[in-house]
Amino acid sequence: DAGVTQSPTHLIKTRGQQVTLRCSPKSGHDTVSWYQQALGQGPQFIFQYYEEEERQRGNFPDRFSGHQFPNYSSELNVNALLLGDSALYLCASSATGYEQYFGPGTRLTVT
Amino acid sequence: QKEVEQDPGPLSVPEGAIVSLNCTYSNSAFQYFMWYRQYSRKGPELLMYTYSSGNKEDGRFTAQVDKSSKYISLFIRDSQPSDSATYLCAMSPGGYQKVTFGTGTKLQVIP
Repeated sequence: DAGVTQSPTHLIKTRGQQVTLRCSPKSGHDTVSWYQQALGQGPQFIFQYYEEEERQRGNFPDRFSGHQFPNYSSELNVNALLLGDSALYLCASSATGYEQYFGPGTRLTVT
Repeated sequence: QKEVEQDPGPLSVPEGAIVSLNCTYSNSAFQYFMWYRQYSRKGPELLMYTYSSGNKEDGRFTAQVDKSSKYISLFIRDSQPSDSATYLCAMSPGGYQKVTFGTGTKLQVIP
């Protein structure tokens, strides 16, 4: 059984550009959450998707948007990238909400 | 004040020692308490979760929750060098409410 997968592993973007990150949840999971983890910090909740709808959102600007597809996979889009957006972006899937399983993350560097 | 407080460490112990990792929290609505292990540049791995107060044991790991004191702990017995990682506590009110993470404690087990 494949766990949570994310792509790409690592990418480098320039300020002002846009980026799309992808996530495939663990088999049997229907809920996907996205987190941003800065160096030396815990994961910060961005938003959660369930049944193709954004169910909850953390304290992130509208530059951060997402989507969930009928197969439960998900995308995170970030527009107008800032230097401060450089971080590890984590996707977590769940069938219960609190019991979340994380992917390996996408390391985004904004220059 | 942060909802979840966790000492960032680093915590350095000799192999075979008993390790105690702790978090405090302020939100009385938290009902589910999780511990994650994160190796460098990897996604967090769920170690165990506990509902409400009490203890839960899994091999060398024991999780304790004291809701009256808003204090949770993770004990690692017979620590091994492979336990060297950052340990994140996480909490949720349950249902599909968002999960809130601590900043993580970096643990080093010295052979």
